[in-house]
Amino acid sequence: DTAVSQTPKYLVTQMGNDKSIKCEQNLGHDTMYWYKQDSKKFLKIMFSYNNKELIINETVPNRFSPKSPDKAHLNLHINSLELGDSAVYFCASSPQQDSPLHFGNGTRLTVT
Amino acid sequence: GEDVEQSLFLSVREGDSSVINCTYTDSSSTYLYWYKQEPGAGLQLLTYIFSNMDMKQDQRLTVLLNKKDKHLSLRIADTQTGDSAIYFCAETTSGGSYIPTFGRGTSLIVHP
Repeated sequence: DTAVSQTPKYLVTQMGNDKSIKCEQNLGHDTMYWYKQDSKKFLKIMFSYNNKELIINETVPNRFSPKSPDKAHLNLHINSLELGDSAVYFCASSPQQDSPLHFGNGTRLTVT
Repeated sequence: GEDVEQSLFLSVREGDSSVINCTYTDSSSTYLYWYKQEPGAGLQLLTYIFSNMDMKQDQRLTVLLNKKDKHLSLRIADTQTGDSAIYFCAETTSGGSYIPTFGRGTSLIVHP
């Protein structure tokens, strides 16, 4: 199936741990994104990655770092997890900038 | 205030039309989007409109754009129980690196 896939779907971990969420798209898109959706369903952009150009939302703590080994992958690494990091994280891709996004199904992160 | 605003809830009876409204602040918008999110899933693109258009119709969906008032609406004709979901309005702007900014979502509840 052509899609944006994220793993894992659920992630439960303790404060202080380091974790990663993987994202892959097989749509041949040039741009990938990470969004955070809080408990009130508010979606906030964290990162956008296009042709090796990384655009970072300045409100994102530097404990969060995106890593793109190739055009089809944009993984999210989180160091020293905090309770407030609990949320659903969505990966998305688009053919190029300023075109519709295709979303993955999300990763629900719970920090205890 | 927020860049993209929506009312949080809308309740309609099955078979009626639903109208979900959205206002935005940035006049340099390029595209405006409507996404649908069902429980436990990612966002699914429903439709979108280029900023120099006034209206777009796609089967049961009609999008109206009033650029002067910075107002976008989504009309769903003959609303069905399967249309119950959260609907997000989003905007891309030339001044925002073309990264979509989302509203907080409108929960549509369809009663039988």
